[in-house]
Amino acid sequence: NAGVMQNPRHLVRRRGQEARLRCSPMKGHSHVYWYRQLPEEGLKFMVYLQKENIIDESGMPKERFSAEFPKEGPSILRIQQVVRGDSAAYFCASSPPAQSSGNTIYFGEGSWLTVV
Amino acid sequence: AQKVTQAQTEISVVEKEDVTLDCVYETRDTTYYLFWYKQPPSGELVFLIRRNSFDEQNEISGRYSWNFQKSTSSFNFTITASQVVDSAVYFCALSAPRTGNQFYFGTGTSLTVIP
Repeated sequence: NAGVMQNPRHLVRRRGQEARLRCSPMKGHSHVYWYRQLPEEGLKFMVYLQKENIIDESGMPKERFSAEFPKEGPSILRIQQVVRGDSAAYFCASSPPAQSSGNTIYFGEGSWLTVV
Repeated sequence: AQKVTQAQTEISVVEKEDVTLDCVYETRDTTYYLFWYKQPPSGELVFLIRRNSFDEQNEISGRYSWNFQKSTSSFNFTITASQVVDSAVYFCALSAPRTGNQFYFGTGTSLTVIP
């Protein structure tokens, strides 16, 4: 019973390096979401994707951050030239094809990025 | 704008006590959905419940119960006879058709159950 799979669980990067976080949705789910949890804060929406389409990226920082969900393979959240402020937990969630926005989204275990 | 407020930042209770976690939401929409998620110390987010705005019936699941009151825009969560394994951060969230598939989360309530 594979849930939402994220890897790596923990990632350490030096300032200026690139971070790539991967997410495989639950079986049967075609919608993927990325959320960021800063220390002592709740989760903030970043981006919502379907296969080969970005549906809503209103929560993504304008620079250095990008996301994709290719036809084959996992969704990737990419952070270029990381800075200390990027240190956070990044959660991926998935849901089945949405007839409405009321679908429950199921989260992965998160990827903890530490920038040193 | 959509907003979820969890005013209780941290709560500590002694094992077997009941505890209620508050959630107050703001929305102009008539159709919306409310959720609770649990984040144990291991870090993952576990779905607990989903409620739509047209269903104010309270729900009970084992030691967990939820009280949805539209009149006060609240969706409170009660744990009866708390256990150490209930120690976690609990998040309340809201989504609405008008704002697409975004979930709006509160800042969470950290619950510690003391043995």
